[in-house]
Amino acid sequence: DAKTTQPTSMDCAEGRAANLPCNHSTISGNEYVYWYRQIHSQGPQYIIHGLKNNETNEMASLIITEDRKSSTLILPHATLRDTAVYYCIVPIGAAGNKLTFGGGTRVLVKP
Amino acid sequence: DTGVSQDPRHKITKRGQNVTFRCDPISEHNRLYWYRQTLGQGPEFLTYFQNEAQLEKSRLLSDRFSAERPKGSFSTLEIQRTEQGDSAMYLCASSSVLQQETQYFGPGTRLLVL
Repeated sequence: DAKTTQPTSMDCAEGRAANLPCNHSTISGNEYVYWYRQIHSQGPQYIIHGLKNNETNEMASLIITEDRKSSTLILPHATLRDTAVYYCIVPIGAAGNKLTFGGGTRVLVKP
Repeated sequence: DTGVSQDPRHKITKRGQNVTFRCDPISEHNRLYWYRQTLGQGPEFLTYFQNEAQLEKSRLLSDRFSAERPKGSFSTLEIQRTEQGDSAMYLCASSSVLQQETQYFGPGTRLLVL
């Protein structure tokens, strides 16, 4: 998998937008960017993925830079239940057999 | 609930005993994955199946570990002669072939080896 770099942790105020950056400078043209999160003591949860265009779903928005070397996951209105570890993953496009989880970003949403 | 289920949720065993975990994937998913997660770390890939065929195994999967998916539906992960280092959360995920990287995870089985 292409290596990704994320900040170790960040805090966010409840009700505010949370912007989670990820660098993936070695990404290749056909590789997607995936985001998962893991709430304490639960299995990881798929959030969103994208290739080139920005994406939005009911959980979050994904902004990918034009050169595709970095992306930002946006949680528009963070709630206390969004406290989790967020993983940015770039799986190998052809294989897609496994996900390689790095350290992720530990997000703490504060009231 | 039509998500991925795992059983048991918790298991405490003594060193040297054998343990077996079960995973039931989402019914229309033909790919099934096992991961292991130790405290403070992200999940690590162990193995995956497409239907009943085991297509890849990680070097983490020592010869004490065996996984099966006999009918292409549920899967079992067995650990023989458990060691304290096997203490971890064992996660199962499933996906469809068309969206391999969109994996849906179960709640995990937390194993404690005393």
